[in-house]
Amino acid sequence: DQQVKQNSPSLSVQEGRISILNCDYTNSMFDYFLWYKKYPAEGPTFLISISSIKDKNEDGRFTVFLNKSAKHLSLHIVPSQPGDSAVYFCAASGGAQKLVFGQGTRLTINP
Amino acid sequence: DAGVIQSPRHEVTEMGQEVTLRCKPISGHNSLFWYRQTMMRGLELLIYFNNNVPIDDSGMPEDRFSAKMPNASFSTLKIQPSEPRDSAVYFCASSPSLGLAGRSSYNEQFFGPGTRLTVL
Repeated sequence: DQQVKQNSPSLSVQEGRISILNCDYTNSMFDYFLWYKKYPAEGPTFLISISSIKDKNEDGRFTVFLNKSAKHLSLHIVPSQPGDSAVYFCAASGGAQKLVFGQGTRLTINP
Repeated sequence: DAGVIQSPRHEVTEMGQEVTLRCKPISGHNSLFWYRQTMMRGLELLIYFNNNVPIDDSGMPEDRFSAKMPNASFSTLKIQPSEPRDSAVYFCASSPSLGLAGRSSYNEQFFGPGTRLTVL
């Protein structure tokens, strides 16, 4: 039972263009959402988060959008840079410290 | 400042052998998490501790898996006996203490570099 789903295992985007990564969730009790970025042979690192009381959070080139009615969130990266090539994990929390992660999306930025 | 430390980084073992993975969380962090990453299921939470006490072990696959946290600076994840399907990357993460409202501000977890386990 996958409560957090990232349906695109991979995404390829040209440098300078916008990258859009998507994530869907099923549990309406989730109230906090995070994106993590992972490079090969390293652990995931926190990128950006959003509370369920907001529908948008922006940090430099990264923006996360939350659509609670659709139980959907997305991460926008603009402009995309070669260093953004990594695996991106969406995660959700319903309280306490427990995070539920999606399967990840491998983003490749082409020069 | 050192991050989360995991050892070994790579482990190759034969089916039936005992495997012990080790983790040292960031000093001052009160919560510790063990995850397993596979292609099919992504990052799965196995177990987490708060103040050295196991809080939720519902993700532990079966009795072959056990985890301990004898003190605030050390945790182990043991698999006995190991099976080929246990092959995965195992991550340890730590998080600061819960905030006044019962949760930290961002629920941010800091991950170690992982242990790549291969069971032949």
